[in-house]
Amino acid sequence: DTGVSQDPRHKITKRGQNVTFRCDPISEHNRLYWYRQTLGQGPEFLTYFQNEAQLEKSRLLSDRFSAERPKGSFSTLEIQRTEQGDSAMYLCASSPGAGLAGYFGPGTRLTVT
Amino acid sequence: GQQVMQIPQYQHVQEGEDFTTYCNSSTTLSNIQWYKQRPGGHPVFLIQLVKSGEVKKQKRLTFQFGEAKKNSSLHITATQTTDVGTYFCAERGGSGNTGKLIFGQGTTLQVKP
Repeated sequence: DTGVSQDPRHKITKRGQNVTFRCDPISEHNRLYWYRQTLGQGPEFLTYFQNEAQLEKSRLLSDRFSAERPKGSFSTLEIQRTEQGDSAMYLCASSPGAGLAGYFGPGTRLTVT
Repeated sequence: GQQVMQIPQYQHVQEGEDFTTYCNSSTTLSNIQWYKQRPGGHPVFLIQLVKSGEVKKQKRLTFQFGEAKKNSSLHITATQTTDVGTYFCAERGGSGNTGKLIFGQGTTLQVKP
């Protein structure tokens, strides 16, 4: 499979718990993006990596959110002390270049109860 | 900040009818990308437009970039039930060369068989 994969696909957690999501991009893509999508809205940009460097973070990414891409391959997104407002689909996308297509993974749907 | 507005939000058509969604920006766009998201799925890249006045076709889909590069449209001829989903336009946003995408709100297409 040469597409973007994400794990888990679904996560239900209680408010206050920490959660971590993983994204495996297309192997030759050096650019990796995280987006968040809520019902009825388009994806919203969260953060961007070029190789292992995190080069941009949205103001949407509060201090409770942290993302890593330690070896420039897979990435993790951690949310600490989850809140009900964090419930959303978290999408990962990779791209071979800045002006080229984004290839999205299937997403992780987070529900905070 | 940069923003793309997309209309209409919803469109219900009878199978065989045509469908058009419009994407508008108050600022000049460097490029515009179109994505399709099936119900329960993730955004899938359709096409990218770069040049002023550019028109591209993919079978029954016609994509157009305005002369002033401030608007774009997607037209589907003779819709089929397989066209059901939400269509998003997205512009490459932000300073530098991140390649992050700023999505419109999407147009959700329902097709009655």
